[in-house]
Amino acid sequence: QKEVEQDPGPLSVPEGAIVSLNCTYSNSAFQYFMWYRQYSRKGPELLMYTYSSGNKEDGRFTAQVDKSSKYISLFIRDSQPSDSATYLCAMSRNTGGFKTIFGAGTRLFVKA
Amino acid sequence: DAGVIQSPRHEVTEMGQEVTLRCKPISGHDYLFWYRQTMMRGLELLIYFNNNVPIDDSGMPEDRFSAKMPNASFSTLKIQPSEPRDSAVYFCASSLAGTGYNEQFFGPGTRLTVL
Repeated sequence: QKEVEQDPGPLSVPEGAIVSLNCTYSNSAFQYFMWYRQYSRKGPELLMYTYSSGNKEDGRFTAQVDKSSKYISLFIRDSQPSDSATYLCAMSRNTGGFKTIFGAGTRLFVKA
Repeated sequence: DAGVIQSPRHEVTEMGQEVTLRCKPISGHDYLFWYRQTMMRGLELLIYFNNNVPIDDSGMPEDRFSAKMPNASFSTLKIQPSEPRDSAVYFCASSLAGTGYNEQFFGPGTRLTVL
């Protein structure tokens, strides 16, 4: 079993839709939860991060962490064609080095 | 800053040949990571360095893979001999210690095709 599970999609939505992207994980030691966005033929870029449980909002993006369920989500409101990309969840521990475990990534297509 | 620089951007080689991928991290960053990305396996960490010292190479798939970081501004990932199953996009990333979430800055990747 992988430490981090993420549905690879693809997920196709119309412009303006609310998008929900999710990951589950098995290692309760994870404390930092991140979302990276990767455009086609580019490297991933950090979009948002959350420490421990709770919500974090940044513009149209909201990240949620539920440590009791080992489940994290990224919501995109009013999705735009420019949001079309692959979204990778990522997690790391607070101690023991800087090893980050990435999910497989979900490919998102937002249709105009 | 130019960001993380990787070369070559594309590499096509034949099975059995030696392949060397190169990376220049962001100046001042003290961590360097090598990843491999495929559709089947996603983004896999191969090895990472701290202050030029390898810290964790448990992701290196086989002895055919080796990585070095001779100085703070240069790292190589070598595959010898290469095999078709090594075909993937290889990313180098760097980061600066000080934040638990360890934001990693990725290069554009090297797309490797082994025939």
